[in-house]
Amino acid sequence: RKEVEQDPGPFNVPEGATVAFNCTYSNSASQSFFWYRQDCRKEPKLLMSVYSSGNEDGRFTAQLNRASQYISLLIRDSKLSDSATYLCVVNRGSGAGSYQLTFGKGTKLSVIP
Amino acid sequence: GAVVSQHPSRVICKSGTSVKIECRSLDFQATTMFWYRQFPKQSLMLMATSNEGSKATYEQGVEKDKFLINHASLTLSTLTVTSAHPEDSSFYICSVIRPGGYGYTFGSGTRLTVV
Repeated sequence: RKEVEQDPGPFNVPEGATVAFNCTYSNSASQSFFWYRQDCRKEPKLLMSVYSSGNEDGRFTAQLNRASQYISLLIRDSKLSDSATYLCVVNRGSGAGSYQLTFGKGTKLSVIP
Repeated sequence: GAVVSQHPSRVICKSGTSVKIECRSLDFQATTMFWYRQFPKQSLMLMATSNEGSKATYEQGVEKDKFLINHASLTLSTLTVTSAHPEDSSFYICSVIRPGGYGYTFGSGTRLTVV
């Protein structure tokens, strides 16, 4: 099993649609989780951290299920500008300030007018 | 936040030459910086962890004599690809831990093409 696994897509959705991405991770000792967004030929940019209680930032909602080792990202009311690749990122480092990030390959989203 | 500047953004070099990539932390001091490589349609792979004032820590399979890392100050780390070959063509990205410890901030990346 890959350390971080995502459906590569592409997901082609119309504007205004709701779309959900899933991610699974293999290391149960993983400490923290993130979703990053990467535009074509650009660097990744932090979209949001993922907390056990679930968290929301505007149209974006992230969920974490530690028992199933599963992370999700929900995007509501999709905009054209949401078109990008979404990277699931898992930190398996232990202890404060310890970072050993593993990146998924990403899920490509295309929002269509 | 954290602002990271990476230079150059794009470089084309001849096989056998060396290329230096700079990564600067502009608004805070970074004792640790990370160097990643990303091949097309692949995930980011950590190459090495750069530590200010000491030797870098390389990931398994990454040749330390080929990918030279220097972190001489708290704001600058450099990656030199020595004797570059076409298979070294990739997207190289540096990153630092965001102040407050929430994730990374990445440099804008360097697209290296070796011909």
